[in-house]
Amino acid sequence: QQQVKQSPQSLIVQKGGISIINCAYENTAFDYFPWYQQFPGKGPALLIAIRPDVSEKKEGRFTISFNKSAKQFSLHIMDSQPGDSATYFCAASIFDNQGGKLIFGQGTELSVKP
Amino acid sequence: DGGITQSPKYLFRKEGQNVTLSCEQNLNHDAMYWYRQDPGQGLRLIYYSQIVNDFQKGDIAEGYSVSREKKESFPLTVTSAQKNPTAFYLCASSTFGGWPSYNSPLHFGNGTRLTVT
Repeated sequence: QQQVKQSPQSLIVQKGGISIINCAYENTAFDYFPWYQQFPGKGPALLIAIRPDVSEKKEGRFTISFNKSAKQFSLHIMDSQPGDSATYFCAASIFDNQGGKLIFGQGTELSVKP
Repeated sequence: DGGITQSPKYLFRKEGQNVTLSCEQNLNHDAMYWYRQDPGQGLRLIYYSQIVNDFQKGDIAEGYSVSREKKESFPLTVTSAQKNPTAFYLCASSTFGGWPSYNSPLHFGNGTRLTVT
């Protein structure tokens, strides 16, 4: 099953709070899990990524937590700021008999209130 | 500046007309991809190409066609057979001719918003 399920669809957080977005997958052949950030009218930009042999990856205020046994991973945004307001996509990469590709979750629209 | 250029930013067409969306990259990337973005549905893969003169169908290829005659260019044609073509179209590329990975992340252009009436 080449799907990545993302939740919640939308999220409102107060400035300074923690934003948490969750993703789940079924296919254990996925071997790379990036998160993308997209502002209105722009293309998604890579935010942070993790490999399945690592349980946590932190870059500044952004942290990925990865639970291989549960087939789940999540993005935590600490000290959320209004400038973080954007749509966030989780994704998973797979290489099959047709080549390699990135499968995306449905997206989470984050709004950080001042 | 290296990057992916999609043109035009906005495109309007009448129903029944074919339309071609341009995607050019100067990153010297091997692989290129087309995604479609609709509200609440994430990014869905239309077509991808790992090398010149070769491409594969993604999850929603019906009503679309592509070509990869040059490494830098991967145009997408939305044909009249595509039942619901109005959407935001994103082109992407990755460096190594394998697949998007930790050492070969996917880079996106800024998209073309197509409206068909």
